[in-house]
Amino acid sequence: DTAVSQTPKYLVTQMGNDKSIKCEQNLGHDTMYWYKQDSKKFLKIMFSYNNKELIINETVPNRFSPKSPDKAHLNLHINSLELGDSAVYFCASMRDGGGYTFGSGTRLTVV
Amino acid sequence: AQSVTQLDSQVPVFEEAPVELRCNYSSSVSVYLFWYVQYPNQGLQLLLKYLSGSTLVKGINGFEAEFNKSQTSFHLRKPSVHISDTAEYFCAVSDISKIIFGKGTRLHILP
Repeated sequence: DTAVSQTPKYLVTQMGNDKSIKCEQNLGHDTMYWYKQDSKKFLKIMFSYNNKELIINETVPNRFSPKSPDKAHLNLHINSLELGDSAVYFCASMRDGGGYTFGSGTRLTVV
Repeated sequence: AQSVTQLDSQVPVFEEAPVELRCNYSSSVSVYLFWYVQYPNQGLQLLLKYLSGSTLVKGINGFEAEFNKSQTSFHLRKPSVHISDTAEYFCAVSDISKIIFGKGTRLHILP
């Protein structure tokens, strides 16, 4: 059973399109995150949700909108995609006490 | 605010030789420390973590790290590397609310 699952694994799309990435965790964790890994492998936090409530929003363009329908899901919707949005996006969840579990990533390519 | 510095962007080492990947952190509060490994085109896998207790932490694949509070370091070591250890290694720090990553160290294993 996959603990943190993301779909799709790969996403190729044209500039200007709107796309979504889904994330689900079956660990019962209260907190979920989105991270972006750029072409230089640098991992940067984008958002954090705790029990469906936005906790962290790290100066991400408002074209990016996270949505958490319940505490097991945190989806990422991106409007008007730009070339610079190409990256690998990782979802993660955290249990109380600092144990983080990451999804396998979604490689987004904007052409 | 926390930050993590990985002093080496790349470390070449001969197969079966020992290796140390350096990590320093800064934080105004107590933190948890982690090392993650990312194999080519893969997600993030937890190698080991320090939450409390013994400062010498043993992880998977023969890796270990030592938490040194006075030097604010958490260096990763392995006594004998294999070709399969070729990967990107990330040091990370967490204050519970989020996890912050260093920029990564690429470990090159030379035959």
